[in-house]
Amino acid sequence: ILNVEQSPQSLHVQEGDSTNFTCSFPSSNFYALHWYRWETAKSPEALFVMTLNGDEKKKGRISATLNTKEGYSYLYIKGSQPEDSATYLCAFYNNAGNMLTFGGGTRLMVKP
Amino acid sequence: DAGVIQSPRHEVTEMGQEVTLRCKPISGHNSLFWYRQTMMRGLELLIYFNNNVPIDDSGMPEDRFSAKMPNASFSTLKIQPSEPRDSAVYFCASSFTELYGYTFGSGTRLTVV
Repeated sequence: ILNVEQSPQSLHVQEGDSTNFTCSFPSSNFYALHWYRWETAKSPEALFVMTLNGDEKKKGRISATLNTKEGYSYLYIKGSQPEDSATYLCAFYNNAGNMLTFGGGTRLMVKP
Repeated sequence: DAGVIQSPRHEVTEMGQEVTLRCKPISGHNSLFWYRQTMMRGLELLIYFNNNVPIDDSGMPEDRFSAKMPNASFSTLKIQPSEPRDSAVYFCASSFTELYGYTFGSGTRLTVV
């Protein structure tokens, strides 16, 4: 069983604050790391897929970094807005497996 | 492509009734996954298919749950008989390769009263 941990479980920030959270995964046999954004009452939507150590991806105010040697990825949100409120899921894929393993998610709530 | 299509969006049924949830994956995707979202366990994998063949059903809660994929464009998840503790949102997802991740459907919100 692969262990994919996300921290914190939940986070409350004020509008305008910048924030970040962590996804930890096994560092062996790494193949890909995915980030999803999951709004309440909707389905998870893909944000990033990252495959190379040192990868950095950006989409608007959201960016992510990847360290495959130590087994972690950070997701950053700059200047949080209420519409950023969602659960952010990471999912890990190694080349010994045949499906994604999801973390438990970080639930972000941005107060106006 | 219209994405992964699930039906119905909402289902309310009485305890003991049979419930069938449906999923149409994205054309060309060869893997299909059924997940259940609950407050306690988050996103829980129930079963997944590769090329229409069930590969891992260890997440299926008990014999009341069954899933089929008769062809590449259709899958069903059936609960018979349904119980109140089955109330949850059930998501279907499909994938061409794990490198590109999964595409999720809009989910079916099941309420068993």
